[in-house]
Amino acid sequence: AQSVTQLDSHVSVSEGTPVLLRCNYSSSYSPSLFWYVQHPNKGLQLLLKYTSAATLVKGINGFEAEFKKSETSFHLTKPSAHMSDAAEYFCVVSDHRTGKLIFGQGTTLQVKP
Amino acid sequence: NAGVTQTPKFRVLKTGQSMTLLCAQDMNHEYMYWYRQDPGMGLRLIHYSVGEGTTAKGEVPDGYNVSRLKKQNFLLGLESAAPSQTSVYFCASSYFAGGALGSYNEQFFGPGTRLTVL
Repeated sequence: AQSVTQLDSHVSVSEGTPVLLRCNYSSSYSPSLFWYVQHPNKGLQLLLKYTSAATLVKGINGFEAEFKKSETSFHLTKPSAHMSDAAEYFCVVSDHRTGKLIFGQGTTLQVKP
Repeated sequence: NAGVTQTPKFRVLKTGQSMTLLCAQDMNHEYMYWYRQDPGMGLRLIHYSVGEGTTAKGEVPDGYNVSRLKKQNFLLGLESAAPSQTSVYFCASSYFAGGALGSYNEQFFGPGTRLTVL
């Protein structure tokens, strides 16, 4: 069975400093992995996706993630946080057998001025 | 192009009442999904559909029913609402991308429906 674990439920950074949101996955197959962002009282928006092409994936708003098979990780990073990045972030794996998405519990990113 | 829309945005029910949530998408997607989101639990799949006229159970289907009479619409019904169904409900859709249900499955989400059951 596939699963995903977000290692931090809450991350706080200062504006202009780097962001690191950690995600580990478990999969019997080569996974498809996603990061979604949810701003307060909004729906989910796709940040980026990994589908077995390049291991370093660039997304919107300056975010990127690196797929590391040896570490079963897909951490999300951004060099410099902006106030508008404050939101809930979900790491998601797609089950290749069923196509269903399996969500992590989410990480709340707080950006301090 | 509205993407995925949900109706209503908010609703308050009393225990035992029934209601239907409507999801509509204009992207001609084959697949549609209903999730619920509860604090600290991410999103959990309630039911999904792989095409018009088909539905299947997800992770937490009890207490819910769905119908997909038209390709663009996916309805979620609560026959007898319970306080445990207080949640935010999200609908999503995706296109078919090969494999049993798609080896690649980017889903597009609606804005959500906030439901409170008293």
